[in-house]
Amino acid sequence: EAGVVQSPRYKIIEKKQPVAFWCNPISGHNTLYWYRQNLGQGPELLIRYENEEAVDDSQLPKDRFSAERLKGVDSTLKIQPAELGDSAVYLCASSRRAGGGNEQFFGPGTRLTVL
Amino acid sequence: QQQVKQSPQSLIVQKGGISIINCAYENTAFDYFPWYQQFPGKGPALLIAIRPDVSEKKEGRFTISFNKSAKQFSLHIMDSQPGDSATYFCAASIVYGNTGKLIFGQGTTLQVKP
Repeated sequence: EAGVVQSPRYKIIEKKQPVAFWCNPISGHNTLYWYRQNLGQGPELLIRYENEEAVDDSQLPKDRFSAERLKGVDSTLKIQPAELGDSAVYLCASSRRAGGGNEQFFGPGTRLTVL
Repeated sequence: QQQVKQSPQSLIVQKGGISIINCAYENTAFDYFPWYQQFPGKGPALLIAIRPDVSEKKEGRFTISFNKSAKQFSLHIMDSQPGDSATYFCAASIVYGNTGKLIFGQGTTLQVKP
């Protein structure tokens, strides 16, 4: 089966500019996650979707970050405006169903550099 | 209490040697402990996972040892190979409660020298 697809793979922007990341999860996976991975650190969850519903966005900086998952398939994560501290790899993951024991499959990530 | 602490930060092992990475947690509600392997430019991929009802799980050259009373678990890579050179992350989550939220350790960069 095809893996999680993310685009773009790399993005360089000036601070205060907007940026968007796109994710296509594995077919049939109802649960979708967005993580942020800072350099030299483990991934940290930003938001989790069950189908099209955001069920855990407690770690999402809502003043500048937004996300959507229309029709419960593809998802977009947006930052507006971007700050220097937003430089990181943004990972999308999906799992067949919710629950802590279900394997999460990660995409390759989008490496964001904010200048 | 949500943290997972991982050590060492980096590790160099000779080919054929044993690589050992350790993790510790505080939240006793955690009951699923996966290890992820990440190569440069790739997303993390599940390597092996354990539930706290067993003390050890082995899959090929990879073994997880789990100590519930000490709230610690470790990854052992036997007969380490240069292809194992990657960053390894331990993680923890709660199976029931329907969150699926993984708490990751800080990562260990493993280099296996030929």
